Amino acid sequence: QQQVKQSPQSLIVQKGGIPIINCAYENTAFDYFPWYQQFPGKGPALLIAIRPDVSEKKEGRFTISFNKSAKQFSLHIMDSQPGDSATYFCAASPNWNTDKLIFGTGTRLQVFP
Amino acid sequence: GAGVSQSPSNKVTEKGKDVELRCDPISGHTALYWYRQSLGQGLEFLIYFQGNSAPDKSGLPSDRFSAERTGGSVSTLTIQRTQQEDSAVYLCASSLGGRQPQHFGDGTRLSIL
Repeated sequence: QQQVKQSPQSLIVQKGGIPIINCAYENTAFDYFPWYQQFPGKGPALLIAIRPDVSEKKEGRFTISFNKSAKQFSLHIMDSQPGDSATYFCAASPNWNTDKLIFGTGTRLQVFP
Repeated sequence: GAGVSQSPSNKVTEKGKDVELRCDPISGHTALYWYRQSLGQGLEFLIYFQGNSAPDKSGLPSDRFSAERTGGSVSTLTIQRTQQEDSAVYLCASSLGGRQPQHFGDGTRLSIL
């Protein structure tokens, strides 16, 4: 019940494509959903986050779509670039402990020129 | 520097030895987290500290693992009697708490021979 399921495990797209990474959760106590981006040899860094009172949030080329009834959320990367090649983690934070994040298993994205 | 600093960046040790991993959080950050990232895996929560509250140790995999945070700043993760399955990247993060972004260090890559 405290898991966040992430798919796919890996993703390969060509430059300009729109990779989509999906996450699902079961616990309705989760009410904050960030995405983190991790480059090789570096720690993850916050990319974008959403709360369940909105269905979509955009920041530059990155968009989170949120489906509260299905308990699913996804990350879309518009006009993907080789520099977007990284591992992406979704996460969820429960309302009973706002300090805590439960991470998905990660998606390794490769964008080829 | 202004970021989270972890040392050493790499550590190779023999099975059965004890190791200490250090984390210097961002100044002023009240929350400090330790995660473990095994090869190709997600971020496994280990322990977190928030201010003067008792640490949340719910993610520690065995009693060989312990952590301290002295003076509300620097933290040390100790692994006693290391096993080969302890080989992983250990990541530290700090934040202002709540839903504020977690800022990660670049990790300590631990290899147990």
